[in-house]
Amino acid sequence: DAMVIQNPRYQVTQFGKPVTLSCSQTLNHNVMYWYQQKSSQAPKLLFHYYDKDFNNEADTPDNFQSRRPNTSFCFLDIRSPGLGDAAMYLCATSRGAGGKTEAFFGQGTRLTVV
Amino acid sequence: AQRVTQPEKLLSVFKGAPVELKCNYSYSGSPELFWYVQYSRQRLQLLLRHISRESIKGFTADLNKGETSFHLKKPFAQEEDSAMYYCALTSGGSYIPTFGRGTSLIVHP
Repeated sequence: DAMVIQNPRYQVTQFGKPVTLSCSQTLNHNVMYWYQQKSSQAPKLLFHYYDKDFNNEADTPDNFQSRRPNTSFCFLDIRSPGLGDAAMYLCATSRGAGGKTEAFFGQGTRLTVV
Repeated sequence: AQRVTQPEKLLSVFKGAPVELKCNYSYSGSPELFWYVQYSRQRLQLLLRHISRESIKGFTADLNKGETSFHLKKPFAQEEDSAMYYCALTSGGSYIPTFGRGTSLIVHP
């Protein structure tokens, strides 16, 4: 009964080769988030969608892009991965404003850049 | 800007010992505080939130606005409590959670 599903669980990509991570949800939540988490660090918000509205964090590099074609799916595109982009990428959802702000997470995609 | 601080990267205790995982926050308004937990090979999930004032798996947390703290406590730790614990905050009208860096709890038999 997984509610937030991330694919793949592990992704290996070459330096500079574009890569896409995917996330889907069955909760019908308004908000979908992408977090980057490096070892021993807090999850860092990259961006989020509130419905179709895209909200980029000020310090998210341009190398990171996102798409949300419908309520259920959200993609993280890394245009030219560098070694520093190796991390765990977490997708999460929540109902958004006016509702409970609990976040529901996927299991994450661990990205390795070689 | 809001910030969540978890001063301990690692907390190691023996089974049956009391546990307190510290969380301090900085935000001038009325925050909503959460504890999330991640067991080995599992997803990050909500453990408890301050507005519910509930005990989950024997854990409790009280929001202390004077000390801007939301420490997680359990009187008798169990081996199955070993996990990564994250304190998180949403503030004002924002629905976006800000996370601390996490504390790894290891409970030895």
